[in-house]
Amino acid sequence: DAGVIQSPRHEVTEMGQEVTLRCKPISGHNSLFWYRQTMMRGLELLIYFNNNVPIDDSGMPEDRFSAKMPNASFSTLKIQPSEPRDSAVYFCASRRGDPNTEAFFGQGTRLTVV
Amino acid sequence: QQQVKQSPQSLIVQKGGISIINCAYENTAFDYFPWYQQFPGKGPALLIAIRPDVSEKKEGRFTISFNKSAKQFSLHIMDSQPGDSATYFCAASIRLSSGSARQLTFGSGTQLTVLP
Repeated sequence: DAGVIQSPRHEVTEMGQEVTLRCKPISGHNSLFWYRQTMMRGLELLIYFNNNVPIDDSGMPEDRFSAKMPNASFSTLKIQPSEPRDSAVYFCASRRGDPNTEAFFGQGTRLTVV
Repeated sequence: QQQVKQSPQSLIVQKGGISIINCAYENTAFDYFPWYQQFPGKGPALLIAIRPDVSEKKEGRFTISFNKSAKQFSLHIMDSQPGDSATYFCAASIRLSSGSARQLTFGSGTQLTVLP
């Protein structure tokens, strides 16, 4: 298994532009998480899906952020319009539905908004 | 309260020494406590995990000690090696009321440096 696949690995964009981050979870995993990591705040849970349905999006910082999971093998996190303070590493993670199983993280997308 | 508090923020240990990282939680509904290890440029990876029905779990040089009454747990790295230098995150997992969904809350992380 290739693990959780995120793209792109690095993204540099200008303030005001739309940014779309992509994630392919591990096959068979039915929970998917989007995290944001910064030096100041560490790992913050933004949103997570269970069986493609958003369960809790209370971690999404603003309406500029949106996430979708159209099917079990793909999810996107979109920021529109992007701002410099959105610069961070964004991680996607997935896990099986069994209790007490680990979440596997992707390599992350390093986003820089200039 | 979903917060997990982790300390210290950074730790420097000599090769061969013991590294100890501590975490505390408030919500007694947490029922799974994993530790993640993260190297620069990589995503966090599970290192070791424990459930609250045991007080200690050991895997190689890594040991989790769990104190349910104090709501604290810690990671001990014995015979620390330079290759252990990484950021370590404790986490706590809780099952939500909505089916099999579970939420994972992370501590703030500890940057460990093991000197050669």
